[in-house]
Amino acid sequence: KNQVEQSPQSLIILEGKNCTLQCNYTVSPFSNLRWYKQDTGRGPVSLTIMTFSENTKSNGRYTATLDADTKQSSLHITASQLSDSASYICVGGSGGSYIPTFGRGTSLIVHP
Amino acid sequence: DGGITQSPKYLFRKEGQNVTLSCEQNLNHDAMYWYRQDPGQGLRLIYYSQIVNDFQKGDIAEGYSVSREKKESFPLTVTSAQKNPTAFYLCASSIGGAMNTEAFFGQGTRLTVV
Repeated sequence: KNQVEQSPQSLIILEGKNCTLQCNYTVSPFSNLRWYKQDTGRGPVSLTIMTFSENTKSNGRYTATLDADTKQSSLHITASQLSDSASYICVGGSGGSYIPTFGRGTSLIVHP
Repeated sequence: DGGITQSPKYLFRKEGQNVTLSCEQNLNHDAMYWYRQDPGQGLRLIYYSQIVNDFQKGDIAEGYSVSREKKESFPLTVTSAQKNPTAFYLCASSIGGAMNTEAFFGQGTRLTVV
């Protein structure tokens, strides 16, 4: 069964600090790994999407990494801002399934 | 503007009533999906449709129904058979027939049973 596990479940940081969110996935056969940002009460918005041949991808202050050997991904946020407060969802896409597997998300709170 | 639109944003329903959530997209996407999101849980798939006039059950289809008469529209009906309908509902669409490509989400509908 395909699974995506995210850690930590929640995280509180001060504005301006960096942070890293983790994602472990068991998706077979692996197709891609995506990170979404979901503001409270809104729909998720795509941050990055990586295939197995990519090991890093950036989107502004967001940098995602992918290690296909260990089946781990991370999302690094640099110089956090108050607007980064949101839930970050890791999603594993499988070439063998029409539907991707969603993690439960990491809730990030950035305090001034 | 291209995008995917859900309406209404908030919806209240009395117990025993059916209610329909709207989802429209002008992205010319073939595939559309309905997800349910509860606090502390990941998104759970209710129904999906790869092409017009065809749809498939997801993991939690009981108590829900859908139709796909037009490419642009994929309405979700929450029936009285759904025992715990209060939740945040998200509609999504993707290019071609696989959500393994980029997926775009609507802004969601929060349904509350009163």
